[in-house]
Amino acid sequence: GAGVSQSPSNKVTEKGKDVELRCDPISGHTALYWYRQRLGQGLEFLIYFQGNSAPDKSGLPSDRFSAERTGESVSTLTIQRTQQEDSAVYLCASSLVIPGRREAFFGQGTRLTVV
Amino acid sequence: DAKTTQPNSMESNEEEPVHLPCNHSTISGTDYIHWYRQLPSQGPEYVIHGLTSNVNNRMASLAIAEDRKSSTLILHRATLRDAAVYYCIRAFGNEKLTFGTGTRLTIIP
Repeated sequence: GAGVSQSPSNKVTEKGKDVELRCDPISGHTALYWYRQRLGQGLEFLIYFQGNSAPDKSGLPSDRFSAERTGESVSTLTIQRTQQEDSAVYLCASSLVIPGRREAFFGQGTRLTVV
Repeated sequence: DAKTTQPNSMESNEEEPVHLPCNHSTISGTDYIHWYRQLPSQGPEYVIHGLTSNVNNRMASLAIAEDRKSSTLILHRATLRDAAVYYCIRAFGNEKLTFGTGTRLTIIP
């Protein structure tokens, strides 16, 4: 497809379980972002991958959160030992090599519910 | 720190122009100004961006003040589908995009 694809679209998990969220960016986009959006709130930056540079992990809220990216393609966001406060929509975006000069394209998000 | 200031909410009548302001008084010379919007239950979508000159595209116009400390997103003729949260963002080089709380635009039929 031409856009950013995220899977699953919805995920319900029990507290304490680990979850993996997947993002397929637009082909050729070297910049990839993960954001979290709690109900009724704004976008909270989590992590940013830019080409071969070390990722900017400054937004990850705890060591339960981690993300990987394989080259310039798929990224996975992993949340270990999920808590109820992790419930949110997790959004992925990608853009061309110079994000300041290029628009970012967002996926539709993964809605995570921790019960 | 989004480094931009926007009103929390605005209302506009359908089929009238809408001017959404953004203050970025600490902007540096190489920061781009981006606008995104988020419709209900959707991911954000790009609207427009610019550096110094005013910009137009099929969705909107972006008017940038001469000193670049503020900008205005202009929707020329609002429709009900334009009801969304609008985000104004400063973006530089390879720096990550940081979103603030945006302006919630309500369109009155």
